Amino acid sequence: AQKITQTQPGMFVQEKEAVTLDCTYDTSDPSYGLFWYKQPSSGEMIFLIYQGSYDQQNATEGRYSLNFQKARKSANLVISASQLGDSAMYFCAMRELSTGANNLFFGTGTRLTVIP
Amino acid sequence: EAGVAQSPRYKIIEKRQSVAFWCNPISGHATLYWYQQILGQGPKLLIQFQNNGVVDDSQLPKDRFSAERLKGVDSTLKIQPAKLEDSAVYLCASSFFKLGGYTFGSGTRLTVV
Repeated sequence: AQKITQTQPGMFVQEKEAVTLDCTYDTSDPSYGLFWYKQPSSGEMIFLIYQGSYDQQNATEGRYSLNFQKARKSANLVISASQLGDSAMYFCAMRELSTGANNLFFGTGTRLTVIP
Repeated sequence: EAGVAQSPRYKIIEKRQSVAFWCNPISGHATLYWYQQILGQGPKLLIQFQNNGVVDDSQLPKDRFSAERLKGVDSTLKIQPAKLEDSAVYLCASSFFKLGGYTFGSGTRLTVV
């Protein structure tokens, strides 16, 4: 079974509008972390935001916020006030902490295009 | 601080040839990872090092892929012989400790023809 599912291959958003990128996850580990990364055409993976499974509040980092719904196993990324530079691939990833390993399981990504 | 350095940036080889990628992690980062990202997919872990020891290489195709991390710093990933399906971006990442946050390099884009 897929540990991370991103159902939106591509999304379009008007500049200055907000957009939500969906992510659902599957794990039986009670202790896990969820990540969002941005991958521009240059190829590097840029860390955006992190949510721990025991965090009580949704994570926020500037224009990025994570809508964490634990019971639904979803961790959607919300980008507010979209900018042209936000056009990129976005990946949701999960780390299962109880195993002691630190490898990340990634989804297939969502390509976001910001329209001027 | 300097980021994770990878080279080469791009590589094109013929199938059955050999290729090697190099990664220099952030200074002081004990944990180093190699990920393979096939076009249209998310990255998949190939191997994880803690200092110069292997923590997880369960997804590494050991019949053709090998990796080493001498002296617990730089790492090389080798493919010998390459297959068409090895065409991908190979990403190196490092973290300060085993459960620390990752920093990724820019990757090496390999095309096997």
